[in-house]
Amino acid sequence: EDQVTQSPEALRLQEGESSSLNCSYTVSGLRGLFWYRQDPGKGPEFLFTLYSAGEEKEKERLKATLTKKESFLHITAPKPEDSATYLCAPDHGSSNTGKLIFGQGTTLQVKP
Amino acid sequence: SQTIHQWPATLVQPVGSPLSLECTVEGTSNPNLYWYRQAAGRGLQLLFYSVGIGQISSEVPQNLSASRPQDRQFILSSKKLLLSDSGFYLCAWSAGGELFFGEGSRLTVL
Repeated sequence: EDQVTQSPEALRLQEGESSSLNCSYTVSGLRGLFWYRQDPGKGPEFLFTLYSAGEEKEKERLKATLTKKESFLHITAPKPEDSATYLCAPDHGSSNTGKLIFGQGTTLQVKP
Repeated sequence: SQTIHQWPATLVQPVGSPLSLECTVEGTSNPNLYWYRQAAGRGLQLLFYSVGIGQISSEVPQNLSASRPQDRQFILSSKKLLLSDSGFYLCAWSAGGELFFGEGSRLTVL
């Protein structure tokens, strides 16, 4: 059965304190892995897509990496505005359908 | 640029009443369209997806249905709401790659 587990469920950091979020998955036929940011009461906002093991992508203070079993979202010197829930989602659908399996998310709080 | 609109943003409905949530996408043609639900304390669950007009695939058995009457319009419906239908409903679109979500519709069934 396809599964996605994100850890930790919640993370509190001081401003400037770097850390990593983990996304472990067991998905057959992985087509890509997506990271999203979700603010309270809003729809998820797309951050990254990773397609193959060893791939890395960066955006401002965020860097996402991918292995065959897991993905990490590294946050370097976070700021309070980085506070949000971060969702990972492997895509296991057939061509032309993006059927994502979402993890429960990691809720990040960055204190000034 | 592409935009996605969802309405209503908030809805409070009694048990047994009907439901209609609407989603439209602008700036793209023939997108794949999706309805997800995010219940309290749970992850996003895919409910329906559509690869074209009139083509609907259901992912989970439930009290809901979906329709796609036009290329860029996706509707989520129910004839009689249950308490368990409460949640945050998200419409999304893709064109072969990433999913892009609307702002969501918060449904509370009382």
